[in-house]
Order: sequence, then C-alpha cells, then structure tokens
Amino acid sequence: DAGVIQSPRHEVTEMGQEVTLRCKPISGHNSLFWYRQTMMRGLELLIYFNNNVPIDDSGMPEDRFSAKMPNASFSTLKIQPSEPRDSAVYFCASSFLSRGHYGYTFGSGTRLTVV
Amino acid sequence: AQSVTQPDIHITVSEGASLELRCNYSYGATPYLFWYVQSPGQGLQLLLKYFSGDTLVQGIKGFEAEFKRSQSSFNLRKPSVHWSDAAEYFCAVGPSGSGYSTLTFGKGTMLLVSP
Repeated sequence: DAGVIQSPRHEVTEMGQEVTLRCKPISGHNSLFWYRQTMMRGLELLIYFNNNVPIDDSGMPEDRFSAKMPNASFSTLKIQPSEPRDSAVYFCASSFLSRGHYGYTFGSGTRLTVV
Repeated sequence: AQSVTQPDIHITVSEGASLELRCNYSYGATPYLFWYVQSPGQGLQLLLKYFSGDTLVQGIKGFEAEFKRSQSSFNLRKPSVHWSDAAEYFCAVGPSGSGYSTLTFGKGTMLLVSP
C-alpha cells in the first residue's frame, strides 16, 4: 500500500488566495482526519470523517476553512481566503475504526506558507 | 476529557546511552495508548500501541513502552540510542471501546542525540 498520500507537499500562496489541500487515505480505512501542526500549538485536530461523513468539525478554526470527503478515497481541505496565520503543516491521517482504536496512519503533510 | 502530558520538551542523550521519554495521561478508564515518531519533514509514524493485556509492549526500531495504571503513565524506552533516533516523539491517548472517537496527542518531546 502506498500509504496516505497528500498533495501538494509544499504550497506558497499570497494572502487572500484560495488554497486546496488534498488527501488520499489508505484503501479500506473508514476514517479520515485532518490535523494542523504549528510550533506554538502542536498538533490540532481540525475535522474528522467516518464513512465519508463529517463527525466532528469543532476544531476548524473559522468559516474560512472547509473540508469535504466526496468518496472513500479522496478528501480536500480548503482555506478561502488564506491568511498568514494559516501557515502551518497540515496532515491527513486515516484509520479503521470499528470497536476500538487501531492507530492512525499519517501522510507526509503539506507545508503551507501564506505570505 | 482525555489529555496527555509530555513533561520534557527537549531531551539530549549520548549515542549508545539508554533513553526514557515520559508520558502521563488523564482518562477515566483504561485508555488506548500510542507512541509516534516524527522525523524532520515527515509525517508521524506509529512506534507502538497498548490496548490491553501485557503492560510492556514492544514496538519497531527497538523501542518499548510500559503502561502503569497506578501512575497514569506510558513511558517510552530504548536501551541504546542510535543517532538515527533523533526526532520528535509524540504520545497519544484514545478512549477504549468506542468507534467514534479521536486520539489526543501530547505536545511532543524532541530527542537530540549527541556523539
């Protein structure tokens, strides 16, 4: 298995522009998670999906952030408009959650820089 | 609510010396516990996990961790550190027995290995 695949690896954009981050989870996993990592705040859970349905989006910072999972093999995280404080590494992770935890498999992340 | 504390932000260990990284958790019942490692520019990789049974669990790369219920701890150990072990280490806790739940991560401990 190729693991969790994220694209792009790096993104530099100007303030006010729309940014779309993409994630392909591991085939057969039924849950997908978006995390943001910064030096100040560490790893923050933004949103997670189970069977393509958003279960908890309480970590999404504000309305500028949105996430979709149109099918079991693809998810996007969109920021519109982007701001410099959105600069961070964004990770996607997937897992198979049934009666308990089996751990997450993380992608390599997207490093976002908003100038 | 569950929480994880990693009291050491940085630790420096000489190559060949033993290592112990501390992790304390807060959770009402027996949790699921994990250790992840993050190398620079990479995503998080699962080192080991504890669900139940033997409180000493073995992981990849020669790491082990011991669950101590009385101390609410899940410390990570390695008998002899290699320079390639330099990375950031994250402890995580998840509630047991639930399919719809997420992991809570600690702030991480950065391991530096001196020659």
